[in-house]
Amino acid sequence: NAGVTQTPKFQVLKTGQSMTLQCAQDMNHNSMYWYRQDPGMGLRLIYYSASEGTTDKGEVPNGYNVSRLNKREFSLRLESAAPSQTSVYFCASSENIGNTIYFGEGSWLTVV
Amino acid sequence: QKEVEQNSGPLSVPEGAIASLNCTYSDRGSQSFFWYRQYSGKSPELIMSIYSNGDKEDGRFTAQLNKASQYVSLLIRDSQPSDSATYLCAKDDYKLSFGAGTTVTVRA
Repeated sequence: NAGVTQTPKFQVLKTGQSMTLQCAQDMNHNSMYWYRQDPGMGLRLIYYSASEGTTDKGEVPNGYNVSRLNKREFSLRLESAAPSQTSVYFCASSENIGNTIYFGEGSWLTVV
Repeated sequence: QKEVEQNSGPLSVPEGAIASLNCTYSDRGSQSFFWYRQYSGKSPELIMSIYSNGDKEDGRFTAQLNKASQYVSLLIRDSQPSDSATYLCAKDDYKLSFGAGTTVTVRA
């Protein structure tokens, strides 16, 4: 049982480049999330999708876009990467909002 | 003010001792609270959830919630080197909000 799978695991981008982080879950969960984690800041919510067809901003949405492609997949796009977006990104899912959240293994992104 | 504040740490305890972690939150209406453990380079994993005032025990872990004082704590009894990790407090008000985490080191 894979749970939450995210790709790529590591990526180095140049300032201004774009990229998409992919996330898929195989637990038939309705809700999915993207967090970023920076030293001393804990996990901060970027965007979430309460159910298929809906997306909402979290605490730090600027510079990001998301797509809930179907029930399984939730992607995060950086249109023009900035060094401030260097971080570890975690995708997560839960059966519904308010239920236990399960995290993917993380994606380490460096913007130079 | 952050929604969830954790005691800053890092916390170093000898093997076999009790590690005590504290967390305060700003929204008096919050109902659901969680403790996650995160090993270095890994993703967070849920270790405890608590919804009602009082204590909840699970093995060597005890979570305590006091809604009137707006704090939630985690006690780790008989600490083991394998407990060395960062512990994240979180509350769920339609979306999960995390504290910055407290790093615990258990000395053998």
